[in-house]
Order: sequence, then C-alpha cells, then structure tokens
Amino acid sequence: ETGVTQSPTHLIKTRGQQVTLRCSSQSGHNTVSWYQQALGQGPQFIFQYYREEENGRGNFPPRFSGLQFPNYSSELNVNALELDDSALYLCASSFRQEGYGYTFGSGTRLTVV
Amino acid sequence: AQRVTQPEKLLSVFKGAPVELKCNYSYSGSPELFWYVQYSRQRLQLLLRHISRESIKGFTADLNKGETSFHLKKPFAQEEDSAMYYCALKSRGYQKVTFGTGTKLQVIP
Repeated sequence: ETGVTQSPTHLIKTRGQQVTLRCSSQSGHNTVSWYQQALGQGPQFIFQYYREEENGRGNFPPRFSGLQFPNYSSELNVNALELDDSALYLCASSFRQEGYGYTFGSGTRLTVV
Repeated sequence: AQRVTQPEKLLSVFKGAPVELKCNYSYSGSPELFWYVQYSRQRLQLLLRHISRESIKGFTADLNKGETSFHLKKPFAQEEDSAMYYCALKSRGYQKVTFGTGTKLQVIP
C-alpha cells in the first residue's frame, strides 16, 4: 500500500507566474482534497475532487483550479501568483464514504517572490 | 458556516500529568469530528475520529453536542506525545473539512 505523494517538495516562483502541483493518492482512495496552510495556521480547504469533478470548494478565487485523473491522482494549478500564495500546499486522499479521515501528503512548500 | 476553535496555541505539561486539548466547534447540523496530529518532521496524520469512539495511543475524545466540544484527553502524558494537534470538523454529506489553528503540546520530562 502506498501513501500520498506530492511533487515537487519545494518551489520558488515569481509573482504573476503560474504553478502546477501534483499529488498521487493513496492506493484505493477515490477522493483528493487540497489545502493551503500558511505559517502558524491550520490547513484551509481549497477544493475536493471526486470522479474527476470538483466536489466542494472553499473560499479561494477562480485562479486556483484543479484536475483529477482516472487513476485518482490530482493537480492543483494556481495562475497569476501573488505573494500571499506563499504557503504549504497539502494534498489529502480519502474514501468518499462518511466517517473516514484523510491521509495527507507531506506537502509542497511554495514561495512566491 | 462551520468553525473550529482551539483556544490554546501552546500547552505545556509534565510527563505523567493529565492532558486535555480543547476544541470547540460551531455548526448547526450533525458534524463529524476528528483529531489530527503532526509529529516533528512528519506529515499530518489522523489520530482519531468521533464516529469510531476509539482510543489511540491512550488518547480519547468525546463529542459533546450540548457544549459543542470535542476535547482530546489522555490521563498520563508521555514525552513522545509532544506534537502539533489539530481538531477538524466535517459536515455530513459535504466534503469540506474545517481545521482549527492547532495546539502545540509540549511534554516536559
């Protein structure tokens, strides 16, 4: 059984650029959620993907978008990067069924300069 | 709107002392509550969920709907319990999970 893997681990981008972060879900999990964690804060829900469709979205602008692939892996895309986008981005996979918790990846540290 | 409040940023206890990490939530429906833990240099991981009413590593948490709380407790703290603890809430039927800001537990030898 494999866990959740994210790539890259660290990334530095310039304001205005675009970035793509990748996530492979744990074997057997069918749902992927993305979170943004700023320093000293808890994870903030960006959105969730199930069956290749967005299935719930937090308070993030449209320049945050995503994809889920048939193998349940996922991408998070952020356009027109802003300095405040600097954060740890966490991917979490789960079963869709009620009551199950998340399995988290180790995250991608994004720095926007 | 759903909200999770963890009032303590840092909780320091001596080894062998009881531990209680507080979590209060705001949600009008029927929530699912979780505790997640992050040990130093490790990823965030699920500790326990209220629906299973289990005890993990000696920790328990009881959902109190009247007080809208889900405090995490352990009778005797151990040094390896030192970590960051996050309380989280999910509404039934909706996939968003809301996390608190976390409490750092420091167990003093």
